[in-house]
Amino acid sequence: SQQGEEDPQALSIQEGENATMNCSYKTSINNLQWYRQNSGRGLVHLILIRSNEREKHSGRLRVTLDTSKKSSSLLITASRAADTASYFCATDGYGNKLVFGAGTILRVKS
Amino acid sequence: DVKVTQSSRYLVKRTGEKVFLECVQDMDHENMFWYRQDPGLGLRLIYFSYDVKMKEKGDIPEGYSVSREKKERFSLILESASTNQTSMYLCASSLGLPYNEQFFGPGTRLTVL
Repeated sequence: SQQGEEDPQALSIQEGENATMNCSYKTSINNLQWYRQNSGRGLVHLILIRSNEREKHSGRLRVTLDTSKKSSSLLITASRAADTASYFCATDGYGNKLVFGAGTILRVKS
Repeated sequence: DVKVTQSSRYLVKRTGEKVFLECVQDMDHENMFWYRQDPGLGLRLIYFSYDVKMKEKGDIPEGYSVSREKKERFSLILESASTNQTSMYLCASSLGLPYNEQFFGPGTRLTVL
């Protein structure tokens, strides 16, 4: 039961460029979250956006949520090599559990 | 800072062995989770617990069991390990509602030979 699906599967950009990742989901949600995972490590929470919010910022991160289209985007501005990681969206659309997508692999080349 | 620790970073076991994966959190969180992560499949929930001695099956509980005797500790048990259980196992915890922000441990990469 995959609720969130990220797009693209992989993204390769130059340092300093912006990176945009998208997430689509299927059912109504209370919130949508984005997580980062560095290679071989656990996930780190980045940002949570509630269903009644449209946009949220945290440092170089900007998240938007369009509940009518059941989609979200994560924008990382002025990317750095250290942003190289996998990024996952997670939603609570199926009951009281978080369901994670398969992730977007971001590579930032220096 | 919330800290979630897992007993091993890497583990190699033989088919048929009983395997224990331990997870401890230090922030008094009610909810604890076990996921497995496989390439292309993302994270899949095995079991979660919302209180001591309480547990609920996730999406893929077959071949696994769990134990939560104390609030801070959540154990995943593979009763008889099989090669298709080779995977990365991630433990997480959260406060309040189960779908709130989750805090993850570093993961245990289990190989079953």
